[in-house]
Amino acid sequence: AQTVTQSQPEMSVQEAETVTLSCTYDTSESDYYLFWYKQPPSRQMILVIRQEAYKQQNATENRFSVNFQKAAKSFSLKISDSQLGDAAMYFCAYRRGTNTGNQFYFGTGTSLTVIP
Amino acid sequence: DVKVTQSSRYLVKRTGEKVFLECVQDMDHENMFWYRQDPGLGLRLIYFSYDVKMKEKGDIPEGYSVSREKKERFSLILESASTNQTSMYLCASSLSGGAHSPLHFGNGTRLTVT
Repeated sequence: AQTVTQSQPEMSVQEAETVTLSCTYDTSESDYYLFWYKQPPSRQMILVIRQEAYKQQNATENRFSVNFQKAAKSFSLKISDSQLGDAAMYFCAYRRGTNTGNQFYFGTGTSLTVIP
Repeated sequence: DVKVTQSSRYLVKRTGEKVFLECVQDMDHENMFWYRQDPGLGLRLIYFSYDVKMKEKGDIPEGYSVSREKKERFSLILESASTNQTSMYLCASSLSGGAHSPLHFGNGTRLTVT
């Protein structure tokens, strides 16, 4: 099975500052997708950002961006200008790219606290 | 927007009971998934389904079964609930046609087995 590792169980950031959440993964595949999901205290998990492994350019969605290092198998999430609403659990996920039915593999999550 | 609806937010059941967790999605997604979420363990896949009447085991299927009689509905069944099945259960769905398709999650069901 694939493994996804989030080594930071908890992180905190001051409001308006920048924080980076780490994620590493283990795979022998060359074609895959990586995702960051956010789970606020209300519990519904929502997609934050997605990266295709074949794309060298790092994905960006407004204040959220990734640093994708394919050779290092690293996929970190950067949150700029942090807001109180960014407080949540963040999960990194991997999905093999060869079959749409292939399952997603999730990390154990990072709990982000935003300090006013 | 895709809506994935789980029938209960909170559920309390007794050991040995048969428990049904229901999930319905309204966007005609082919793929549906049941995950279990526990602190420090992340999300672990129980079962998934590519199509009606089709199911595949995930990483932790023991003690669970599923049913998908209609495309929009995917049910998780605990045949005989045990205390170690106390957990948060998340249902999700996704389109087929590309591995880039993200998961869309329901709000989750917090199950307590006493």
